Amino acid sequence: AQSVTQPDIHITVSEGASLELRCNYSYGATPYLFWYVQSPGQGLQLLLKYFSGDTLVQGIKGFEAEFKRSQSSFNLRKPSVHWSDAAEYFCAVGPYAGSYQLTFGKGTKLSVIP
Amino acid sequence: SQTIHQWPATLVQPVGSPLSLECTVEGTSNPNLYWYRQAAGRGLQLLFYSVGIGQISSEVPQNLSASRPQDRQFILSSKKLLLSDSGFYLCAWSGGWGFGNQPQHFGDGTRLSIL
Repeated sequence: AQSVTQPDIHITVSEGASLELRCNYSYGATPYLFWYVQSPGQGLQLLLKYFSGDTLVQGIKGFEAEFKRSQSSFNLRKPSVHWSDAAEYFCAVGPYAGSYQLTFGKGTKLSVIP
Repeated sequence: SQTIHQWPATLVQPVGSPLSLECTVEGTSNPNLYWYRQAAGRGLQLLFYSVGIGQISSEVPQNLSASRPQDRQFILSSKKLLLSDSGFYLCAWSGGWGFGNQPQHFGDGTRLSIL
């Protein structure tokens, strides 16, 4: 069965510092991978997606992610964090052919120190 | 452009009362529609999905049901709410072509509190 692990429950960074959020997945085929962001009390917004091709994917709000098949990872990065980036971030994988279900990680909460 | 509307934003209901949450999508046709529940620290749990009018698939047996009376309308219901139904409910849609290689787009959610 597919699964997603986000090892860091909570990360705190200073404004202007770089950011990397980790995501590891377990999947039996070439995965479809997604990163979402959720502000408190809000829905999830799609940041970026990987389906195939270039393993470095650019998204909105200055985020990027790199797919590494050998490490089963899809880490999210941003070179300089802004206070408005404080939110919860979810990695998702899937679905299997014939399915519609995405599997989400449990999320990483990002706090930003001014 | 496509938009998704979900209401109400917050809801406080007594135990044993009925529930109806509504979700509508604009700007697309024949979308796939989803209901999720989000509990703190536990990520998102898919409750139901629908690939067409009247077609509902349940992922988790529970006290809830879903219906899709129109192409772009998805309703989450319960006849008698339980305390354990409290949570944050999210509706989402994705393109109705292919098998899920389309990203899902979420509404703003409904915070449901059961007293």
